[in-house]
Amino acid sequence: DGGITQSPKYLFRKEGQNVTLSCEQNLNHDAMYWYRQDPGQGLRLIYYSQIVNDFQKGDIAEGYSVSREKKESFPLTVTSAQKNPTAFYLCASKGPTEAFFGQGTRLTVV
Amino acid sequence: SQQGEEDPQALSIQEGENATMNCSYKTSINNLQWYRQNSGRGLVHLILIRSNEREKHSGRLRVTLDTSKKSSSLLITASRAADTASYFCATDSYYSGGGADGLTFGKGTHLIIQP
Repeated sequence: DGGITQSPKYLFRKEGQNVTLSCEQNLNHDAMYWYRQDPGQGLRLIYYSQIVNDFQKGDIAEGYSVSREKKESFPLTVTSAQKNPTAFYLCASKGPTEAFFGQGTRLTVV
Repeated sequence: SQQGEEDPQALSIQEGENATMNCSYKTSINNLQWYRQNSGRGLVHLILIRSNEREKHSGRLRVTLDTSKKSSSLLITASRAADTASYFCATDSYYSGGGADGLTFGKGTHLIIQP
């Protein structure tokens, strides 16, 4: 099956810990994106990557980091510097027009 | 960054009725897309309309685009309980910072279809 896979589906983090969210796609897309979604809110862009080994900050990059070592993979690390990380995180890849989304990771700070 | 704004924020109608959602945006676009999100899931692409198009149909969906007013509408005809979801418009244009194509989403319209 072609698609985009996020893991884990649920993630719990203790305060002060870094956690990494996985995003893998087999759609051969160059562009990949990370969004954050809070309850009742839209999607806010965290980071995006247009090509391997290159990525750019989005609107709310503070407290997050990414890497793009392979075309298929775009992991997101939520660092301890992110003061309010509890949210729903969505990864997407984009072809010439439409975007394809993973099923999301719900991160909760405990 | 620019952002589409959907209106209304929430809409509740009876099954069989038509549902209309609106989206406004701020700057020039390449195209505008509508996505659907079921609760706790990822977004799924519904329909795309290019900046040089005024109307597009796909099954029970009808999208209009008015670039002079920077607005779009999504009409779902003969609604069904399974249409209950959040609907987002997304504008496709260059990110002002990176100069790269990308999608910018609004806050969405939460649609509830009463059986």
